[in-house]
Amino acid sequence: DTAVSQTPKYLVTQMGNDKSIKCEQNLGHDTMYWYKQDSKKFLKIMFSYNNKELIINETVPNRFSPKSPDKAHLNLHINSLELGDSAVYFCASSPRDNTFRTDTQYFGPGTRLTVL
Amino acid sequence: GENVEQHPSTLSVQEGDSAVIKCTYSDSASNYFPWYKQELGKRPQLIIDIRSNVGEKKDQRIAVTLNKTAKHFSLHITETQPEDSAVYFCAAALSGTYKYIFGTGTRLKVLA
Repeated sequence: DTAVSQTPKYLVTQMGNDKSIKCEQNLGHDTMYWYKQDSKKFLKIMFSYNNKELIINETVPNRFSPKSPDKAHLNLHINSLELGDSAVYFCASSPRDNTFRTDTQYFGPGTRLTVL
Repeated sequence: GENVEQHPSTLSVQEGDSAVIKCTYSDSASNYFPWYKQELGKRPQLIIDIRSNVGEKKDQRIAVTLNKTAKHFSLHITETQPEDSAVYFCAAALSGTYKYIFGTGTRLKVLA
């Protein structure tokens, strides 16, 4: 299946722990993103990566560190988890901006993170 | 900073009626405006988008209009069906900047 996939789907952990979320896309896109969706459903961009380079970092605490080993993967590592980190985290990807399909984002299924 | 306001936050319509959701953006340089539908527990999925060089775009029961001067864009759903019930998000972006500002979402309920 061609898609954006994320693992795990659910993540329950204690405060202070370190955890990672993985994202992979097999759509051949150059740009990948991480979004946070809080309990009120607000969707907020956290990071954008283009060709493995960080483009956008939206005032996210430095406890959050994205890593892009290649164009198809963008992982999110979170240190010292806090209660306020509980949310659904969505990965997304989009194709290069010189095509007709410019800017269309395709979202992964989301990872629901619960910090206890 | 850039901002996208979306109204209403909730909308209930009778099946078969029309629904309209409105968004206003602050960055006049924005030139790409997608709309996403998110069903409960699912991912946001693109339903329609419009670029700043057109004023209207239609796809079956869904249409989007854009007023660049007023920095407004709207989603119109005609002949609503129960399966249209979901949260709808608008967004504004400048092509090539990789930054999308999302509206706060509208929960649409279509009553059978």
